[in-house]
Amino acid sequence: QKEVEQNSGPLSVPEGAIASLNCTYSDRGSQSFFWYRQYSGKSPELIMSIYSNGDKEDGRFTAQLNKASQYVSLLIRDSQPSDSATYLCAVFTAGGSQGNLIFGKGTKLSVKP
Amino acid sequence: NAGVTQTPKFRILKIGQSMTLQCAQDMNHNYMYWYRQDPGMGLKLIYYSVGAGITDKGEVPNGYNVSRSTTEDFPLRLELAAPSQTSVYFCASSYYQGPSYGYTFGSGTRLTVV
Repeated sequence: QKEVEQNSGPLSVPEGAIASLNCTYSDRGSQSFFWYRQYSGKSPELIMSIYSNGDKEDGRFTAQLNKASQYVSLLIRDSQPSDSATYLCAVFTAGGSQGNLIFGKGTKLSVKP
Repeated sequence: NAGVTQTPKFRILKIGQSMTLQCAQDMNHNYMYWYRQDPGMGLKLIYYSVGAGITDKGEVPNGYNVSRSTTEDFPLRLELAAPSQTSVYFCASSYYQGPSYGYTFGSGTRLTVV
């Protein structure tokens, strides 16, 4: 059973701080890694994708991938109250009958003004 | 360009009733998916389709059926509703199953079975 694990939180950070969200996955063959943001009552929205080891930056967001440790993280710099949401880590592994994204349960982030 | 459209947005069913959740996309995506999301439990794949006429089971297919007669539409059928099917259902699509593509999600259907 392929698994994606996330700390459910809630993670609370003050406005302007760095929020660090973590995710581990069980399948060493996983190829692609995604972070989705989901506001309460809304659908998931893709915010970052990463495919190779290292860091990938997009504005205030940085995704980090370490395939040897099977670990993915998302850093949000200068956190804003509008960043308050649940962040879903998703891992893609090709092949097999499923070959689809496996989602973690999500980490709820709360940014306090 | 509407993306992925789901209807209805909300529905209350009685135990044993049937219904179809509609999903349509206008992006010419080959791949379509149905997920359910229970509180605090993340997204679980119900069924997916890699193209018209081709469907396959996901992680939690029991109690559901799907069809894919066109590229655009991927309805989800609940035949005998049970309280365990109370959930939020999301339809998603992607052009390709490969690593470069995330999924585009619909706005969801909130279903309550009483």
